[in-house]
Amino acid sequence: DADVTQTPRNRITKTGKRIMLECSQTKGHDRMYWYRQDPGLGLRLIYYSFDVKDINKGEISDGYSVSRQAQAKFSLSLESAIPNQTALYFCVQYGRTGQCTDTQYFGPGTRLTVL
Amino acid sequence: GENVEQHPSTLSVQEGDSAVIKCTYSDSASNYFPWYKQELGKRPQLIIDIRSNVGEKKDQRIAVTLNKTAKHFSLHITETQPEDSAVYFCAARGSSNTGKLIFGQGTTLQVKP
Repeated sequence: DADVTQTPRNRITKTGKRIMLECSQTKGHDRMYWYRQDPGLGLRLIYYSFDVKDINKGEISDGYSVSRQAQAKFSLSLESAIPNQTALYFCVQYGRTGQCTDTQYFGPGTRLTVL
Repeated sequence: GENVEQHPSTLSVQEGDSAVIKCTYSDSASNYFPWYKQELGKRPQLIIDIRSNVGEKKDQRIAVTLNKTAKHFSLHITETQPEDSAVYFCAARGSSNTGKLIFGQGTTLQVKP
């Protein structure tokens, strides 16, 4: 699991501030995802990317943007943070290691609080 | 849209008893169904998964069953132990090759000693 890193791990910010959450992976897999976790709602997909030129919206992309700077880096930005974006954010990479073997690798998560 | 419903939201059992968590999915093309365990303050960890060409899979005290016709799958934990206490998530992945997972809402399992 050390193959996916997220920074920062915790962040407290104020309404209206711009925030960037960063994710890096060392596995070299193409697919990366950003999910947010809220109590009672599970994990919901924000954005996903197959490579630096392929960015796709998930089910809750409003208020967020992403950047795939390189195959190994996938950043999530909140242009103007609002309190209901307070959540736990996970970066996930997905790799296919064999014909019938594939795995989602979760980052350690970023706990974001918007005051 | 794609949806996964998970029940119950909370489950309390005595140590040694069995626990069952159920999920239903909406996309009939879904072909991969993982289960994750998340301990407090940690990332979800894959504990077992099943593919659509299999009806049941077992790994020691945990098992997963899949009913494709009814579009539901279940996690079974036998001989529960206090360290099984955690939040459990089911998920479904469609056949669109995007790798997207649709998660259930989670079940908080408490195993009482």
